Amino acid sequence: DVKVTQSSRYLVKRTGEKVFLECVQDMDHENMFWYRQDPGLGLRLIYFSYDVKMKEKGDIPEGYSVSREKKERFSLILESASTNQTSMYLCASVKAGRYGYTFGSGTRLTVV
Amino acid sequence: RKEVEQDPGPFNVPEGATVAFNCTYSNSASQSFFWYRQDCRKEPKLLMSVYSSGNEDGRFTAQLNRASQYISLLIRDSKLSDSATYLCVVTAGGTSYGKLTFGQGTILTVHP
Repeated sequence: DVKVTQSSRYLVKRTGEKVFLECVQDMDHENMFWYRQDPGLGLRLIYFSYDVKMKEKGDIPEGYSVSREKKERFSLILESASTNQTSMYLCASVKAGRYGYTFGSGTRLTVV
Repeated sequence: RKEVEQDPGPFNVPEGATVAFNCTYSNSASQSFFWYRQDCRKEPKLLMSVYSSGNEDGRFTAQLNRASQYISLLIRDSKLSDSATYLCVVTAGGTSYGKLTFGQGTILTVHP
């Protein structure tokens, strides 16, 4: 069964910590995405990548960075976590030219 | 103005009812349209694509009106298992690398 795997289901971090969220897909997909989902706001795109070492800002990139050193792995980095980054983070991937995303099961991050 | 707007609901309907969700989008360059479904505490999953000619998948019918920038989803003979959040989704337009824009979702609860 094809999968997008996010490294943690729940995380609690302190304000100011550097946080790494990992996402791995086994479908040889070119495109990978990081979204955050908040009540009343829906899914908002943080960053996406269409190839190894390539990245593009989404709608809300401030306070985040990403890394894609290998095709199957796309990491989201919170440089200095803040309480307003408490959210559900969803990783997704899709083959180039397609739109049927496969999502990971999400990481619920709480920053205290 | 949000790029994709949906009535958040919630819609509470009895089993067997017919229910319709509507969605408007603001980017006239969007080329492809979808409905995703998200169960409680789960990741979103593709439900169906939406075509200008309208398309059906069992009890689900999707319609697109490009002139009005309006998308709809009709569910007939509702089942308890249809309870979920339904996300209206459009492509970003242009060279988007598979980038999707999600509405905030419409909550449906089907009761016995």
